[in-house]
Amino acid sequence: GAVVSQHPSWVICKSGTSVKIECRSLDFQATTMFWYRQFPKQSLMLMATSNEGSKATYEQGVEKDKFLINHASLTLSTLTVTSAHPEDSSFYICSVSRGRGYEQYFGPGTRLTVT
Amino acid sequence: AQSVTQPDIHITVSEGASLELRCNYSYGATPYLFWYVQSPGQGLQLLLKYFSGDTLVQGIKGFEAEFKRSQSSFNLRKPSVHWSDAAEYFCIPGSSNTGKLIFGQGTTLQVKP
Repeated sequence: GAVVSQHPSWVICKSGTSVKIECRSLDFQATTMFWYRQFPKQSLMLMATSNEGSKATYEQGVEKDKFLINHASLTLSTLTVTSAHPEDSSFYICSVSRGRGYEQYFGPGTRLTVT
Repeated sequence: AQSVTQPDIHITVSEGASLELRCNYSYGATPYLFWYVQSPGQGLQLLLKYFSGDTLVQGIKGFEAEFKRSQSSFNLRKPSVHWSDAAEYFCIPGSSNTGKLIFGQGTTLQVKP
């Protein structure tokens, strides 16, 4: 497998503030990174696909201005939740992949709580 | 588009018993198929994958899965379940075009002593 880290592992922020979550691929250069969110007792929902050096591709219904994704290098992607609200509270998970047709390796997730 | 169905939302087995988790796929061409596991408080882990070739795939932690085109199935099996196998299991089709994984509801496995 591959080692993927996320930072922070949990964060509490006040409504209206922004929060940045980092995802790092520690074992290989990830051509593609993905961001998911997961609500309690629910499955993962894909938010966006991010290729290094390109703009992220967002899934339908995901606000790109609210969830800013930056994939600056082959080992780092960041998700910024802007002007967070309580309904943004969720578990955010990233994954990395060598590209199309390859498996994904997942990070441990970040628990975001917006008060 | 390819899709999978996991007919069992929740399964309970006794420790030491055999396990089979069902996965049915719907796709014209040979699909990419993955089994992932999400344990409580832990990240998602790849158990095994099928891209092509040998239809019996061996994975980690003693799991295996068999791709059966005639039955459109990719069931996950383990001969003897351990208490630590209690988790959420996802059978997921991969996309050779986009690389995306679209998660379904999964199967929750409970292991009783």
